[in-house]
Amino acid sequence: SAVISQKPSRDICQRGTSLTIQCQVDSQVTMMFWYRQQPGQSLTLIATANQGSEATYESGFVIDKFPISRPNLTFSTLTVSNLSPEDSSIYLCSVVAGASNQPQHFGDGTRLSIL
Amino acid sequence: RKEVEQDPGPFNVPEGATVAFNCTYSNSASQSFFWYRQDCRKEPKLLMSVYSSGNEDGRFTAQLNRASQYISLLIRDSKLSDSATYLCVVNEGYSTLTFGKGTMLLVSP
Repeated sequence: SAVISQKPSRDICQRGTSLTIQCQVDSQVTMMFWYRQQPGQSLTLIATANQGSEATYESGFVIDKFPISRPNLTFSTLTVSNLSPEDSSIYLCSVVAGASNQPQHFGDGTRLSIL
Repeated sequence: RKEVEQDPGPFNVPEGATVAFNCTYSNSASQSFFWYRQDCRKEPKLLMSVYSSGNEDGRFTAQLNRASQYISLLIRDSKLSDSATYLCVVNEGYSTLTFGKGTMLLVSP
């Protein structure tokens, strides 16, 4: 399966600042996604990163708070803006390399803590 | 609302035991099904896909019953390294995944 590199692996940020997380894949993939996993919870989809166009956001997530870029088929970024303690979470990118019914594979995750 | 339900556990079993996890899903139109394993503070990793005919991978056996909207995972001869949270994951179509909250397994010596 594709090798997915996510950076940074962890960060501690001040309230009101922003953090950009990068997801790099070693091969072209059809779909890329961004998830959030809050402590003790399962994964929640933030958005689907669309190559060359605006991301598709799930209910409860908006572009102003979570701007996403996907300039090509191997790279995407998620920015978490105007950080607050409620944003403390693990953020994960995932990819699908083939058809949409194929499993997703996840990056290592970014552990974000807000002071 | 699409839901995937799992027993949260934890399941505490001795090494060598056989343990079974169950999962139910609400969307009858769901297209594909998976079990993922997540170790503490790590990303989910695909354990196996689940097919209608049932499938086996070493000590792991997965079953799907579409009529009952039920998925199972059987682990035989449990190892200490099997301790993890097991996530039941349903693909609703177009790669839209719904995750169960996970079942925690603790295998003890």
